[in-house]
Amino acid sequence: EMQLVESGGALVEPGGSLRLSCAASGFTISTYGMNWVRQVPGKGLVWVSHINNDGRRTNYADSVKGRFTISRDNAKNLLYLQMNSLRAEDTAVYYCTVHWGSGSYSDLWGRGTLVTVSS
Amino acid sequence: DIQMTQSPSSVSASVGDRVTITCRASQGISSWLGWYQQKAGKVPKLLIYAASNLVSGVPSRFSGSGSGTDFTLTISSLQPEDFASYYCQQASSFPVTFGGGTKVEIK
Repeated sequence: EMQLVESGGALVEPGGSLRLSCAASGFTISTYGMNWVRQVPGKGLVWVSHINNDGRRTNYADSVKGRFTISRDNAKNLLYLQMNSLRAEDTAVYYCTVHWGSGSYSDLWGRGTLVTVSS
Repeated sequence: DIQMTQSPSSVSASVGDRVTITCRASQGISSWLGWYQQKAGKVPKLLIYAASNLVSGVPSRFSGSGSGTDFTLTISSLQPEDFASYYCQQASSFPVTFGGGTKVEIK
């Protein structure tokens, strides 16, 4: 079964840092682009970042540009999101997603990991 | 950035009703449009990609249409399991953007 499992979510103080991980199983991520998408509970979906299959091209939402860094380790089948200078408005469930074909759709989603930024 | 505007934000409907949700892009996106369903407490699920292509396993009562700036998701005969929130997403260019969502509620 193809699956994505996020980890690393926690309660962190404003200005702090956190690294999220996403472990893929049942398939090899090296062929596919991947995204991070976040959602405040009860609110809508917000795209955060994308990385292409070999990690050479990355894109970010304006709200996280310069603070967040997406990366991947294809050998370990892992996706990461390094989050620095965290703000209260970054509080959300963070989902890891993968798209199989052209277009940055999110074909497969993890169950999400909760990041809470609060003092 | 491309803004995605969904309407309505919520709709009350009965089982068997035909439901239509619209999504408008602030600039042309060809057919680079996806639709997602999210049930309460669950993870979003891709229903339609490239505006009108049904993901394998999605019931045929779901359909998508449109190109350019105006798109539609139609549920031809609403079933109990279809009560959920629906989101459109443009995949034409970065940053990827989602619509604000439409909640389909029981009438």
